[in-house]
Amino acid sequence: DAGVIQSPRHEVTEMGQEVTLRCKPISGHNSLFWYRQTMMRGLELLIYFNNNVPIDDSGMPEDRFSAKMPNASFSTLKIQPSEPRDSAVYFCASTPAANYGYTFGSGTRLTVV
Amino acid sequence: RKEVEQDPGPFNVPEGATVAFNCTYSNSASQSFFWYRQDCRKEPKLLMSVYSSGNEDGRFTAQLNRASQYISLLIRDSKLSDSATYLCVVNQSGGSYIPTFGRGTSLIVHP
Repeated sequence: DAGVIQSPRHEVTEMGQEVTLRCKPISGHNSLFWYRQTMMRGLELLIYFNNNVPIDDSGMPEDRFSAKMPNASFSTLKIQPSEPRDSAVYFCASTPAANYGYTFGSGTRLTVV
Repeated sequence: RKEVEQDPGPFNVPEGATVAFNCTYSNSASQSFFWYRQDCRKEPKLLMSVYSSGNEDGRFTAQLNRASQYISLLIRDSKLSDSATYLCVVNQSGGSYIPTFGRGTSLIVHP
């Protein structure tokens, strides 16, 4: 089992550029979560999918953020245009069911300059 | 009031000590609970689930107090390798389960 796979591991971009983060959940896990972690705010849930359908996106900070899950094995989180305050570590996590706990990917460390 | 609250610490303890962390939650309808461990610049990793009857895994014991709405983690015989941030997770129930993380408690175990 390869675990949850995220790419890229690190991303440095200029303000105003589009950023796309990618996630491959564990096969068979039907729920996928995108989190953002900063020192100031800790882990914040951005959006979560169940069976590829977005269930709760109330944590998405603003319209510059969008997320898709076109199939059970792939999800993207896009920021357009990016801003310096978007700098954070973005984690993807998946689970087969709520009571099983969540497996996290290694995260994408995003720096917007 | 925050939904899930933890004392940020740091808890600075010597090797061999026993240390306990608490985590309070505000949603009385919360259904499932977990403790995660996060090392510096790494992803959170599941340490243990928290069951209503309490559960133990080696040196680690987790308990749930629904009446007072908190969960606890006890670490006995602390090791240097236990140094990390410990995050509690509460699944908020509201049609679908929404996992909410606490900010974490930092533990430093010194020789």
